[in-house]
Amino acid sequence: RKEVEQDPGPFNVPEGATVAFNCTYSNSASQSFFWYRQDCRKEPKLLMSVYSSGNEDGRFTAQLNRASQYISLLIRDSKLSDSATYLCVVGGSNDYKLSFGAGTTVTVRA
Amino acid sequence: ETGVTQTPRHLVMGMTNKKSLKCEQHLGHNAMYWYKQSAKKPLELMFVYSLEERVENNSVPSRFSPECPNSSHLFLHLHTLQPEDSALYLCASSRDRLNSPLHFGNGTRLTVT
Repeated sequence: RKEVEQDPGPFNVPEGATVAFNCTYSNSASQSFFWYRQDCRKEPKLLMSVYSSGNEDGRFTAQLNRASQYISLLIRDSKLSDSATYLCVVGGSNDYKLSFGAGTTVTVRA
Repeated sequence: ETGVTQTPRHLVMGMTNKKSLKCEQHLGHNAMYWYKQSAKKPLELMFVYSLEERVENNSVPSRFSPECPNSSHLFLHLHTLQPEDSALYLCASSRDRLNSPLHFGNGTRLTVT
């Protein structure tokens, strides 16, 4: 089983729509969780950390479900500029290794 | 943002060449990383340095040789590469060892011919 699994998509949504997707992880001892955004042929950039109680940053909401071992990302009121690949990243408790998912592609159309 | 800079942006090299990738971070971070990203695959961790000491070597072939002369600079020396080594090589830094977020450079797109 892969350490971090994501639905590759693509999720094709109209502007203004809400889109949500999950990421599952295999290591129950994982302690840190992040969502990164990667544009085509660019480097990944941190979108947001994911906290146990869930957190929101503008139109983006992240949730953590430890019991079922998944994190989610919800994008409200989608913009064309939200088109990107979203990478789920999970870290253990005492090492440097952050495990990356292969990414979920979101395309927002006009 | 110029927090982490990588050079060159693009590199084409033959299998018998020797080249080096350079990374510099201006964030005052203590850890630096090399990642490999191949098409449609997750990022693969190659090496980690913490305070200039290598703390992770993720079973990377010896044709890749990292060097970290100080906490702000990181190199990846390449020699006798194979075509399957063609990928995007990303440098990153983080504040400390406890899985703090990574800040990536803009990457070197390497093509081995």
